[in-house]
This record gives sequence, structure tokens and C-alpha cells, in this order.
Amino acid sequence: NAGVTQTPKFQVLKTGQSMTLQCAQDMNHNSMYWYRQDPGMGLRLIYYSASEGTTDKGEVPNGYNVSRLNKREFSLRLESAAPSQTSVYFCASRLLGVAEAFFGQGTRLTVV
Amino acid sequence: AQRVTQPEKLLSVFKGAPVELKCNYSYSGSPELFWYVQYSRQRLQLLLRHISRESIKGFTADLNKGETSFHLKKPFAQEEDSAMYYCALSGGAAGNKLTFGGGTRVLVKP
Repeated sequence: NAGVTQTPKFQVLKTGQSMTLQCAQDMNHNSMYWYRQDPGMGLRLIYYSASEGTTDKGEVPNGYNVSRLNKREFSLRLESAAPSQTSVYFCASRLLGVAEAFFGQGTRLTVV
Repeated sequence: AQRVTQPEKLLSVFKGAPVELKCNYSYSGSPELFWYVQYSRQRLQLLLRHISRESIKGFTADLNKGETSFHLKKPFAQEEDSAMYYCALSGGAAGNKLTFGGGTRVLVKP
């Protein structure tokens, strides 16, 4: 049982480049989330999708876009990467709003 | 708006000593609160949730609505408790919005 899978695990981008972080879950969960983890800042919510077909902004959505492609997949896109977006990105999913969330292994992104 | 605050970034205790991690929240409705833990080189995982009122690995947490707090406690810390701990709150429509605090790193010294 794979759980939540993120790709890629590591990525280096040049300022201004674009990329998409992929996330897929095989647990038939309704809600999916994207977070960034920075030292001293904890986990900050970028975007979330309560169910297939819906997305909502979190605390730090600027510079990002998301797509809930289907129930399984929730992608995060950086259109024009900036050094301030250097971070570790985590995807998570859960069945219901108040259930346990399951996390991916993270994507370490460096923007130079 | 919902907010979770963990005032301590680092807690260093000796093995066998009590440990308490503070969590305060701001939310206008009835929150669902959680503690998540991230051990070295492992994924973030659920430790406990307030609705279950359970003790996991010797940890307990009590929701105090008057003080808007959900502090995590363990009477006797063990070296394997060294990890990063996050307090989290489910809010918004149907509790779908899950936000986390800044995290507290716990170091248990032998």
C-alpha cells in the first residue's frame, strides 16, 4: 500500500523556471493538502482541496497554483520560481475533514 | 481565521524528566485538535487527537477551551521521544482546513 506518493524527491531550479510537483494517494481520500516546511516556520498550508473539483487557498498561496486532477491526484505548480520558494514541500491526504492526515515523504526544492 | 501557536521552538530535557509542549489556538468555532510527530528521516504521522481522549506512547493532551490550549504532556521522557512535534487544528467548512503550528523540537538527553 503506497499511501501518499510525491514526485520528485529533490529538485533544483533556476530563478524564473517553472515546475509541477506531483502528489498521488491510493487511499480513496477526499481531502488533499500542500504544505511547505521552513526552519522556524513549521508547516504552512499553501492550498487544499476538500474534495474532487474544489480547491481553496491556505496561508501562503502566492506564487503557486494547484490542480485537483481527479480524486487521486493533486499537483502544485510554480509558474516562475523564486529563491523564497526554496523549501521542503509536503503533500497530505485524509478521508474526512477531521480524520487523520497521511503525509508524503516530501520534496526538497532549491531555487538558485 | 484559524491559527496555531507553539511558543517553544526547542525543548531539551533529561531522560526520565517530565516534558510539556505548549499549544495555543485561535478559532471561532469548535476546533478539532491534533498532535503530529516527525521522527528523524520518517514521515510526519499522527500522535494523538483530542476527540479520542487516548494516551499514545505515554503522551496525553487535554483540550482547554477556556484557555484555548491543547498542551502535550509526558511524565517520563524517553530518548526515543526526540523528534519534531506539531500541533494542528481542523477548521473551516466541515473541518477540511488543516493548519499547523510552528513546531517544537524535543531533545531528550541520556
